[in-house]
Amino acid sequence: SQQGEEDPQALSIQEGENATMNCSYKTSINNLQWYRQNSGRGLVHLILIRSNEREKHSGRLRVTLDTSKKSSSLLITASRAADTASYFCATDPIYNQGGKLIFGQGTELSVKP
Amino acid sequence: EAGVVQSPRYKIIEKKQPVAFWCNPISGHNTLYWYRQNLGQGPELLIRYENEEAVDDSQLPKDRFSAERLKGVDSTLKIQPAELGDSAVYLCASSLGRTIYNEQFFGPGTRLTVL
Repeated sequence: SQQGEEDPQALSIQEGENATMNCSYKTSINNLQWYRQNSGRGLVHLILIRSNEREKHSGRLRVTLDTSKKSSSLLITASRAADTASYFCATDPIYNQGGKLIFGQGTELSVKP
Repeated sequence: EAGVVQSPRYKIIEKKQPVAFWCNPISGHNTLYWYRQNLGQGPELLIRYENEEAVDDSQLPKDRFSAERLKGVDSTLKIQPAELGDSAVYLCASSLGRTIYNEQFFGPGTRLTVL
């Protein structure tokens, strides 16, 4: 079963614009992670935010976490054509005592040059 | 440092045939995962190993799927017999261990098509 639900399912923007993707989940978590998947490739880890953190930055990426609303957002600033990919949130539920990630369905981002 | 290696990258078989996928995790990573990813979906865990022990195989369809991780390094996932609904990408991932900071490193996957 997939815990995360991502919104929107697809997003198309122009190069230079910002892209925001949202993720909602159901159960309490240890951490939430974002992954990117280019077409035909495996997933690449982008960023991890712990349950006691509210915001985290990595380069052009900004992730927020609201545990009271069980939601997270990923912001990509100044997007580039190379950012075109599918983005997945994954939660590490507390009940798993670490070790099992549950992925959402993903947001397909298209950045047009 | 080499990443997670999987082979083959692509496999096309007829239904009812057997198929096997191989994974070599990142050196030193004790935990190994097999996921299945259907088209347009996120990955779903099939089985998780800690060293050579399968610690979570609740999502593995045991009537036709089997996996092994001999010596706690490489792993093989087998389907016998394959069904049409098994067409998917099979991803292998590894991580340093079972902690609450569980960053997983994924291989490129094996795309299986069952005809």
